[in-house]
Amino acid sequence: DTGVSQNPRHKITKRGQNVTFRCDPISEHNRLYWYRQTLGQGPEFLTYFQNEAQLEKSRLLSDRFSAERPKGSFSTLEIQRTEQGDSAMYLCASSPSHYEQYFGPGTRLTVT
Amino acid sequence: GIQVEQSPPDLILQEGANSTLRCNFSDSVNNLQWFHQNPWGQLINLFYIPSGTKQNGRLSATTVATERYSLLYISSSQTTDSGVYFCAGVFGNEKLTFGTGTRLTIIP
Repeated sequence: DTGVSQNPRHKITKRGQNVTFRCDPISEHNRLYWYRQTLGQGPEFLTYFQNEAQLEKSRLLSDRFSAERPKGSFSTLEIQRTEQGDSAMYLCASSPSHYEQYFGPGTRLTVT
Repeated sequence: GIQVEQSPPDLILQEGANSTLRCNFSDSVNNLQWFHQNPWGQLINLFYIPSGTKQNGRLSATTVATERYSLLYISSSQTTDSGVYFCAGVFGNEKLTFGTGTRLTIIP
């Protein structure tokens, strides 16, 4: 299967720790997106890349969050000094240009 | 900002019933997608439908972009159809803006 993959699927961390998530998009999709979903809500946009360039960041992405996509392939999302409010499902999606976005299974983060 | 509203928020139906889910949006849409979120949180693509009508088995969708709404039809519901359905649109940029979802429960 060549869908979007995300690792880890679950992460439990203590408040104040740093965490990093990885997303591998569908091969040859040049656009990659990160979204965050909290309980009972729809996903909210965080940031997106076209190839290796990060083109837009949401105001939700505080300075504790950083995302990279080296070489335009996989992407990482790092959260520094985690807070309980960071607990959420982090979703990654990819698309081939201005078209349909395909989502990965998500990484569920719990901050204790 | 852009608003995407879905109705009804909750829907409980007997197996075999038909249903219509609605998505209203507040601005011109470039792309529109319907998703089914399974119990594990994965978003499953149902339709990519910026305009017109599409059908896939028991599911069909219609988007009337000029009137800023989209409809998802589910016929002969099965228990496996249960879950949350989201519509999401791209409005002049790259990001999807999601609605608040419709939680569908199919009772055997």
